[in-house]
Amino acid sequence: GAVVSQHPSWVICKSGTSVKIECRSLDFQATTMFWYRQFPKQSLMLMATSNEGSKATYEQGVEKDKFLINHASLTLSTLTVTSAHPEDSSFYICSASPRDISTDTQYFGPGTRLTVL
Amino acid sequence: AQRVTQPEKLLSVFKGAPVELKCNYSYSGSPELFWYVQYSRQRLQLLLRHISRESIKGFTADLNKGETSFHLKKPFAQEEDSAMYYCALRPSGGSNYKLTFGKGTLLTVNP
Repeated sequence: GAVVSQHPSWVICKSGTSVKIECRSLDFQATTMFWYRQFPKQSLMLMATSNEGSKATYEQGVEKDKFLINHASLTLSTLTVTSAHPEDSSFYICSASPRDISTDTQYFGPGTRLTVL
Repeated sequence: AQRVTQPEKLLSVFKGAPVELKCNYSYSGSPELFWYVQYSRQRLQLLLRHISRESIKGFTADLNKGETSFHLKKPFAQEEDSAMYYCALRPSGGSNYKLTFGKGTLLTVNP
């Protein structure tokens, strides 16, 4: 089956630094990738939709200059949290939508836990 | 705007009892409805979707357009069903359209 990986699985950083999270589709090409944020025991909140070769579409209330998304290839999207602050601590999850529309679903990564000290 | 409501944050049943996780939605067009499950320390995974009309792990869900509901049911709950369940909606047209998730229901099946 289709597999999506995220790296790193967890990261701790100091306030003010930037952190990059990678999302890869391992055995399929993804035309679209989605980035979500999940607070403890809460639902997934969509942050942005990332299409290969074009600018990401951010949801209302999500700062695009703070959460930089790059979808450089059909198998890789990155989320960079710039100038991280403790309130950015959260669980970040990506999902990927296959180029082959016959599969018609999204596949989720395992998530990355970010802790900002 | 699309919205998904899961009224129960927590649901606890005994093994062998029937279970129903409620989901209501609001969407002006023709939606596609899904149930996702997240077992402890595992990634989110698709459980079932209304267009497939399938039964996965004994779970079924019927889309009721009149009541705008997509409740998840299982006649006999098992301990391994304990997990977080999310109902999700997306506009018809393909997987590139964004999913809107409900807040989730934590199901606990007691022995």
